[in-house]
Amino acid sequence: LAKTTQPISMDSYEGQEVNITCSHNNIATNDYITWYQQFPSQGPRFIIQGYKTKVTNEVASLFIPADRKSSTLSLPRVSLSDTAVYYCLVGDYTGGFKTIFGAGTRLFVKA
Amino acid sequence: DGGITQSPKYLFRKEGQNVTLSCEQNLNHDAMYWYRQDPGQGLRLIYYSQIVNDFQKGDIAEGYSVSREKKESFPLTVTSAQKNPTAFYLCASSIGSGSTNEQFFGPGTRLTVL
Repeated sequence: LAKTTQPISMDSYEGQEVNITCSHNNIATNDYITWYQQFPSQGPRFIIQGYKTKVTNEVASLFIPADRKSSTLSLPRVSLSDTAVYYCLVGDYTGGFKTIFGAGTRLFVKA
Repeated sequence: DGGITQSPKYLFRKEGQNVTLSCEQNLNHDAMYWYRQDPGQGLRLIYYSQIVNDFQKGDIAEGYSVSREKKESFPLTVTSAQKNPTAFYLCASSIGSGSTNEQFFGPGTRLTVL
């Protein structure tokens, strides 16, 4: 059964870079890694997705080592508005494809 | 304006009653999902549908039922068999069901059992 493991919570200060690592030891060969952000009482929203090496967009970077058993979401220069829960998502192909959200990492950015 | 809507935003139910949560999307997406979120917890998959007239159980399907008669609609019924239904319910959709497909979420329905 594919599953992900992330730190429960992290604290940071405004302007710092934050790195959140997710373990996904049983990731399928053809599966992608996707990260979502969720604010309280809202649905999650897509941040970034990758398969291997490094992916960068306007809000984050995603680093994936060659063995793909983990991935790291990097948020450059966080602000107070980045306080949220961040989820790492992989697929589960047991009995048909479905997506698995882990427990997420609660990031708290302080002034 | 494309998007995914859920109604109602807040819902109160007496014990023993069935209740149906609405989820509609006009994104022309094939796949739709229902998740449950308890306070301070992550999302758990209840049911998902990859295409019209087809759906599969997720990790916590007991006490819930769904239908997918139209592409744009995926209602969730919380039955009296669900022992602890008070939670935040999120509906999502995606173009397809593979892991590369971004899921778009609705605003959620908060269900409280009185």
